[in-house]
Amino acid sequence: GAVVSQHPSWVICKSGTSVKIECRSLDFQATTMFWYRQFPKQSLMLMATSNEGSKATYEQGVEKDKFLINHASLTLSTLTVTSAHPEDSSFYICSATTSGRAAGTDTQYFGPGTRLTVL
Amino acid sequence: QKEVEQNSGPLSVPEGAIASLNCTYSDRGSQSFFWYRQYSGKSPELIMFIYSNGDKEDGRFTAQLNKASQYVSLLIRDSQPSDSATYLCAVTGTASKLTFGTGTRLQVTL
Repeated sequence: GAVVSQHPSWVICKSGTSVKIECRSLDFQATTMFWYRQFPKQSLMLMATSNEGSKATYEQGVEKDKFLINHASLTLSTLTVTSAHPEDSSFYICSATTSGRAAGTDTQYFGPGTRLTVL
Repeated sequence: QKEVEQNSGPLSVPEGAIASLNCTYSDRGSQSFFWYRQYSGKSPELIMFIYSNGDKEDGRFTAQLNKASQYVSLLIRDSQPSDSATYLCAVTGTASKLTFGTGTRLQVTL
């Protein structure tokens, strides 16, 4: 149980294009989803917190107009990197939490990640 | 001061030995504590969570929490080469947001 999927697993795009990444909870309803970014040899940095049906809460320094987050349902959240540039190249990872599970209400389950390369 | 601190390592232990990974955190209001394992190029995988002071055991893994000292550790018994990975300590404060340490790289040698 508690499986989170992401699609695509990797993407290469040209500078200036937009890329959409999907995050799905497969066997549970995710009350909250989180988006992280991880650069090589660094830890995960939280970008935003997303609750179904409401606007995402972005961390300080994260441009909301560049990283568009939509949490359309309890099982799907999307991150769109708009007008991507080479400095946006990174490993993007989503996670999801739910309530009522034995692991605790705030345990985050991570998707496999999406490696974005912007040329 | 970093909110969650870990020694980056690498921590090298021989196969079969006990690996001890340590983590300190700065927010005394932290409620939940997690250990994740991350293999190179992969996303984090939950190993254990702990909420209360003391020890919690799950198979070869034992998490230890001392809130007074703001310290959480992970012991891995009978270490295997497949345990070689980066271990991330994470702590939640408000709104279930996880704050990660930079991770400790563990190498289990044959």
